[in-house]
Amino acid sequence: DSGVTQTPKHLITATGQRVTLRCSPRSGDLSVYWYQQSLDQGLQFLIQYYNGEERAKGNILERFSAQQFPDLHSELNLSSLELGDSALYFCASSVAKDRAHNEQFFGPGTRLTVL
Amino acid sequence: DAKTTQPPSMDCAEGRAANLPCNHSTISGNEYVYWYRQIHSQGPQYIIHGLKNNETNEMASLIITEDRKSSTLILPHATLRDTAVYYCIVRGGYGGSQGNLIFGKGTKLSVKP
Repeated sequence: DSGVTQTPKHLITATGQRVTLRCSPRSGDLSVYWYQQSLDQGLQFLIQYYNGEERAKGNILERFSAQQFPDLHSELNLSSLELGDSALYFCASSVAKDRAHNEQFFGPGTRLTVL
Repeated sequence: DAKTTQPPSMDCAEGRAANLPCNHSTISGNEYVYWYRQIHSQGPQYIIHGLKNNETNEMASLIITEDRKSSTLILPHATLRDTAVYYCIVRGGYGGSQGNLIFGKGTKLSVKP
């Protein structure tokens, strides 16, 4: 158990819909990262938040957005869903203390299926 | 971040040491070598990381060559539960508040009885 929790575990929805994925980081971790894993693209970084502020952006579509709240939990919002958005979505957290101590701990993921 | 090269797959007998190589010939001086693994659709799991010295923890050992252009992850006594995809990632020494991971295809390790 990494200490990172993600809800829901599974989500099935239809094209055009909007969903919200939730992540609670490990206690004390200030950074939250979101990753997408699909069969053809592998694990891809989407976005990072550090202490409530967006810190880095990866291959995140404009239809996707995220935020980190004062209690440090984070939500990833996916809208106008397409079939190709079906994937595993992982959240990770790190203490981000310094350069030498930045290992990330991943949650169990949310499996999104768009029909 | 420097690019890494790993063999796509490896086999290992249960109870034997598993040695997983990684080439990172373009690594720069402030970049760390990280290893993660992913067991069948679970969240990736952090294993170990290092800068230039060899490192050991309860899971594995990391051997980094003197020129830092390659490294080897060693699982000393592999078990069936170690069957997973292992990712070697070279990562910039950013300030602590930054630093996403760039995953390649990794090495699929199969531990056989």
